[in-house]
Amino acid sequence: KNQVEQTPQSLIILEGKNCTLQCNYTVSPFSNLRWYKQDTGRGPVSLTIMTFSENTKSNGRYTATLDADTKQSSLHITASQLSDSASYICVVKTRSGGNEKLTFGTGTRLTIIP
Amino acid sequence: NAGVTQTPKFQVLKTGQSMTLQCAQDMNHEYMSWYRQDPGMGLRLIHYSVGAGITDQGEVPNGYNVSRSTTEDFPLRLLSAAPSQTSVYFCASSYGAVLNTEAFFGQGTRLTVV
Repeated sequence: KNQVEQTPQSLIILEGKNCTLQCNYTVSPFSNLRWYKQDTGRGPVSLTIMTFSENTKSNGRYTATLDADTKQSSLHITASQLSDSASYICVVKTRSGGNEKLTFGTGTRLTIIP
Repeated sequence: NAGVTQTPKFQVLKTGQSMTLQCAQDMNHEYMSWYRQDPGMGLRLIHYSVGAGITDQGEVPNGYNVSRSTTEDFPLRLLSAAPSQTSVYFCASSYGAVLNTEAFFGQGTRLTVV
């Protein structure tokens, strides 16, 4: 079982609407959590990085939240645009001793329709 | 800014052939890594390097070799291609093994082994 679970797997919404993507993780010890946007045929691009002490972080129309107690994060997209169509990947970084590891979720594929 | 550059973008190999996927970054990043992305799975780490002359195995290293002779370049070698290595490969780099450094990804190489 993947230790970073994302829901839903896919989502279709109308342009201009808001949406929220979910990420639940079980990996530990927690170091930080990242949200990436991956356009079709491209590499992932970072949207936000959140540490243990951060509850909310915004990047334009993207707002990420983190609840380290429940090990949940969400990515809220406001006033969606056609260019928001992409896969959104949640990534949790763990650090134990001198070793670091990134655990990737399988992503949510978001489609914005006009 | 070139960022992380991967070549080629597409490649078809016959089973048993060998090839090298190239990755170069111009950001003077210490940390470089290779991932593979398969349908329904999160990105998985193949090999990584924390600096020139230093490499280590990731989660799925079998069938792949790497070297890091310079800070800029981190090639991935497939020794004897197998159909199970059909995947999209991403190279990533980051400033170092620092808590909140962002990872930058290349655009990917789509490899098909027939």
